[in-house]
Amino acid sequence: KQEVTQIPAALSVPEGENLVLNCSFTDSAIYNLQWFRQDPGKGLTSLLLIQSSQREQTSGRLNASLDKSSGRSTLYIAASQPGDSATYLCAVRDSNYQLIWGAGTKLIIKP
Amino acid sequence: NAGVTQTPKFQVLKTGQSMTLQCAQDMNHNSMYWYRQDPGMGLRLIYYSASEGTTDKGEVPNGYNVSRLNKREFSLRLESAAPSQTSVYFCASRAAGSYNEQFFGPGTRLTVL
Repeated sequence: KQEVTQIPAALSVPEGENLVLNCSFTDSAIYNLQWFRQDPGKGLTSLLLIQSSQREQTSGRLNASLDKSSGRSTLYIAASQPGDSATYLCAVRDSNYQLIWGAGTKLIIKP
Repeated sequence: NAGVTQTPKFQVLKTGQSMTLQCAQDMNHNSMYWYRQDPGMGLRLIYYSASEGTTDKGEVPNGYNVSRLNKREFSLRLESAAPSQTSVYFCASRAAGSYNEQFFGPGTRLTVL
């Protein structure tokens, strides 16, 4: 059974720092991996989608990598800003076409 | 283009009451999903509909029923609410094709007393 883990559960860093969020999964048979952002009391916003054949995707200050063989993905945020404060979730699309979710990393960027 | 919409945004029920959560999408997506999100946990799939006219159970279907009313609408019904169903419920939709991403509604925060 596919399991997705995100460590740490919470992270607080000063504004301007570069940071990395981690996501690991137990079964490498995935179609893709998606990173989402969730603001308090709000829905989920898709940030980046990496297909299983890809190694990374970039959008602005965000860069997501995927290493299927090791079951790992990272989300790199450059030059963090207070507006980046949110919970970041990763989800993998497994062999049954379903999304399996991590519990998220709550990120706080201190001004 | 509103994307995925959900109603209501908030709801408080007493144990044993019933209610239906509504979801609609205007992106002509084939697949629709209902998830629940509990504190400290990832989203868990309740039910999904791969196409109009079909529905399937997800990871946590007990206590819920769904209806794919048409291609746009997918409703989730709680027949007899229980405190364990206190959660935030998200609806999502996705275009056909296993590589396409899901788009999410804003969620319904449900409290069962």
